[in-house]
Amino acid sequence: AQTIHQWPVAEIKAVGSPLSLGCTIKGKSSPNLYWYWQATGGTLQQLFYSITVGQVESVVQLNLSASRPKDDQFILSTEKLLLSHSGFYLCAWSPGESSYEQYFGPGTRLTVL
Amino acid sequence: QQQVRQSPQSLTVWEGETAILNCSYEDSTFNYFPWYQQFPGEGPALLISISSVSDKKEDGRFTIFFNKREKKLSLHITDSQPGDSATYFCAASARDAGAKLTFGGGTRLTVRP
Repeated sequence: AQTIHQWPVAEIKAVGSPLSLGCTIKGKSSPNLYWYWQATGGTLQQLFYSITVGQVESVVQLNLSASRPKDDQFILSTEKLLLSHSGFYLCAWSPGESSYEQYFGPGTRLTVL
Repeated sequence: QQQVRQSPQSLTVWEGETAILNCSYEDSTFNYFPWYQQFPGEGPALLISISSVSDKKEDGRFTIFFNKREKKLSLHITDSQPGDSATYFCAASARDAGAKLTFGGGTRLTVRP
């Protein structure tokens, strides 16, 4: 069975500080990986997706960047946090041969002060 | 521009009743429609999905009805239980849109015992 793990569970950071969030998927080789952002009480906005190691496509520009250093790992980062970056960050995966069904991780709650 | 719309924003039903959640879309290229269930503080879970070649999909107490001509879908939850209280998101994807999944604003369902 596939498992998806996100770290950290929660972060409280200062405006202007750097950020790195991680996601690991186990039990599935060559998955498609995705990053989403969700404001409190809001909908989900897709940020990035990756279909292979080293390749990342940006969907929305929010002064964030993403990388896929390993087949099972997806990293979201920024050098300078903004207040607007606060929210719930979700990593998701899909089987690859079909991009339609996406499965979400438990999320990381980010508070920027 | 909101391509996927959901109504109502919130819905309260009594235990045992049928909850009906509505979704509409604008982009005629959308051909896959998953519904996600999200509990507070958790990542969304894929509940049930339908492709545009079908007009109905059933899975236990959950049924999607799809009207391609009117670009509308609905999720029916029969015999609603208090444990069904959650936010439900309708999403849409187009075959040629790569990995992009567009989410609606969500419906918060409360089932009263």
